[in-house]
Amino acid sequence: DSGVTQTPKHLITATGQRVTLRCSPRSGDLSVYWYQQSLDQGLQFLIQYYNGEERAKGNILERFSAQQFPDLHSELNLSSLELGDSALYFCASSAPGTLNNEQFFGPGTRLTVL
Amino acid sequence: DQQVKQNSPSLSVQEGRISILNCDYTNSMFDYFLWYKKYPAEGPTFLISISSIKDKNEDGRFTVFLNKSAKHLSLHIVPSQPGDSAVYFCAASFNNNDMRFGAGTRLTVKP
Repeated sequence: DSGVTQTPKHLITATGQRVTLRCSPRSGDLSVYWYQQSLDQGLQFLIQYYNGEERAKGNILERFSAQQFPDLHSELNLSSLELGDSALYFCASSAPGTLNNEQFFGPGTRLTVL
Repeated sequence: DQQVKQNSPSLSVQEGRISILNCDYTNSMFDYFLWYKKYPAEGPTFLISISSIKDKNEDGRFTVFLNKSAKHLSLHIVPSQPGDSAVYFCAASFNNNDMRFGAGTRLTVKP
């Protein structure tokens, strides 16, 4: 158990809908990262937040947005969903000042868009 | 934008032998490299890392080698065990910011 929690575990929805994925980082971790893993693909970095502020942006679509709240949990919002958005979405967190940038991953949310 | 590449999607080795997983990167600004291991239905877990100022880091059965001139790193597992069967992701980061992952290599260790 990494200490990072993600809800829900599974989500099935239809094209055009909007969903929200939730992540709670490890206690004390200030950074939260979101990743997408599509079938047979590696982990695609989406976005990073640090203590409530956006820190880095990767291959995140304009239909996707995220935020980190004062209690440090984070939400990833996916809107106007398309079939190709079906994937595993991972959240990770890291402690401030980690030299090796080790990230601790949650178990993921499997999103299926029908 | 594939800055980190793992060109072998799968690798199969016999128990007790050496497993060598390879990774190439294109961005010379990367200063930290990591290997993560992923079992089915779980998130990736950190395995071992190396700073760009080193060329080798060892942790038990796991050794990571970095060749900066070739922009290549490799993970050696000796001896390989069936419990090592998993997907291994290579990752690289710059200035402690966003991490770029490779596509992963599925390692199967046969008893």
